[in-house]
Amino acid sequence: KAGVTQTPRYLIKTRGQQVTLSCSPISGHRSVSWYQQTPGQGLQFLFEYFSETQRNKGNFPGRFSGRQFSNSRSEMNVSTLELGDSALYLCASSLYGAQTEAFFGQGTRLTVV
Amino acid sequence: GIQVEQSPPDLILQEGANSTLRCNFSDSVNNLQWFHQNPWGQLINLFYIPSGTKQNGRLSATTVATERYSLLYISSSQTTDSGVYFCAVRGGANSKLTFGKGITLSVRP
Repeated sequence: KAGVTQTPRYLIKTRGQQVTLSCSPISGHRSVSWYQQTPGQGLQFLFEYFSETQRNKGNFPGRFSGRQFSNSRSEMNVSTLELGDSALYLCASSLYGAQTEAFFGQGTRLTVV
Repeated sequence: GIQVEQSPPDLILQEGANSTLRCNFSDSVNNLQWFHQNPWGQLINLFYIPSGTKQNGRLSATTVATERYSLLYISSSQTTDSGVYFCAVRGGANSKLTFGKGITLSVRP
């Protein structure tokens, strides 16, 4: 059974640009969550999608957005990139969310220059 | 929201030693997981353990939900055990997975 797949693995963008990250969950999983990891802030929750609906959202500015498609694949978009957006972005999938085990992808390492 | 505290923040061991990593949380939870983050950043699942005790080889974990803590035991540590160990919890329906700050383990040969 394939794991969680995130693309691309590495990305370098210029300040002010926008970026889209992709996450394909484990087959059959309907919940996808996104997390940002930085050395200073640790692992912070961005948002969670379940059956194409945003079910929960963290404390990030509106420049961070996401969506989920009918096949459960999810994308995350960051507009008007800032240097502070440089981070490892991790995607997790689980069957239903709250009381089911989450599995993480390998992450996308974003560098904003 | 739920607060998660992990201790100790750093741990240095000689190969072959045993260790105990602790995770305290501030409210009742219905999901608790332990992860090991590899050098490339991926979070590797160790245990899904909202309550009770589980064992997997040299690793075992215990969660005492009523007292709001979980312990991860590593026996006969190996250099490949080095890395960062995270505890993450969820409480309530549709709530986010909240991570502790992690424990950095270094196992020396």
